[in-house]
Amino acid sequence: EAQVTQNPRYLITVTGKKLTVTCSQNMNHEYMSWYRQDPGLGLRQIYYSMNVEVTDKGDVPEGYKVSRKEKRNFPLILESPSPNQTSLYFCASSLLERDRGGYTFGSGTRLTVV
Amino acid sequence: AQKITQTQPGMFVQEKEAVTLDCTYDTSDPSYGLFWYKQPSSGEMIFLIYQGSYDQQNATEGRYSLNFQKARKSANLVISASQLGDSAMYFCAMRPPIQGAQKLVFGQGTRLTINP
Repeated sequence: EAQVTQNPRYLITVTGKKLTVTCSQNMNHEYMSWYRQDPGLGLRQIYYSMNVEVTDKGDVPEGYKVSRKEKRNFPLILESPSPNQTSLYFCASSLLERDRGGYTFGSGTRLTVV
Repeated sequence: AQKITQTQPGMFVQEKEAVTLDCTYDTSDPSYGLFWYKQPSSGEMIFLIYQGSYDQQNATEGRYSLNFQKARKSANLVISASQLGDSAMYFCAMRPPIQGAQKLVFGQGTRLTINP
């Protein structure tokens, strides 16, 4: 089954404790992206990658890191999480060629930083 | 900069009625794509429908149709014969013609509740 797999689904952590949210896709998509969803703000892009070793900042990159060492994986790293990073996070992937299909989204990771 | 606006934070509709969710967008580019996604309470994002800026006809997918009015920069989602399972958050999104990128810009969302 074609899918984007995010882990974990839920995470509660403490301020300052480094964490990684994993994202993997099995569709050979070049483009991968991380978004965060907050009430009243919709989804905002954190980082994106157009291929292996090619990453760039989205609209709200502060406090986050990413890497793209393999085509299928695009982990999101929070080196020192803070309570304002409490949010619902989505990983998404798509073909680089612009088509009508939009993104395939992961199931989301609900992160709480206390 | 591209922007999507959804002015209805919440909507309540009786089952079997049609419902229109509003979406306006702001772009100066002639080429763009518009999407609607559904997010049920379980949290996943489900793609519903797509409209290209050069498409001659309004997009339709089953009970979903997109009322695309290019001059007014609106892309409203119409759900016919609403069902209880349509209760969810709905997001409008735009893909601007940024070269080599697939970024989606999302609106704030509309929470739709279908009453029995």
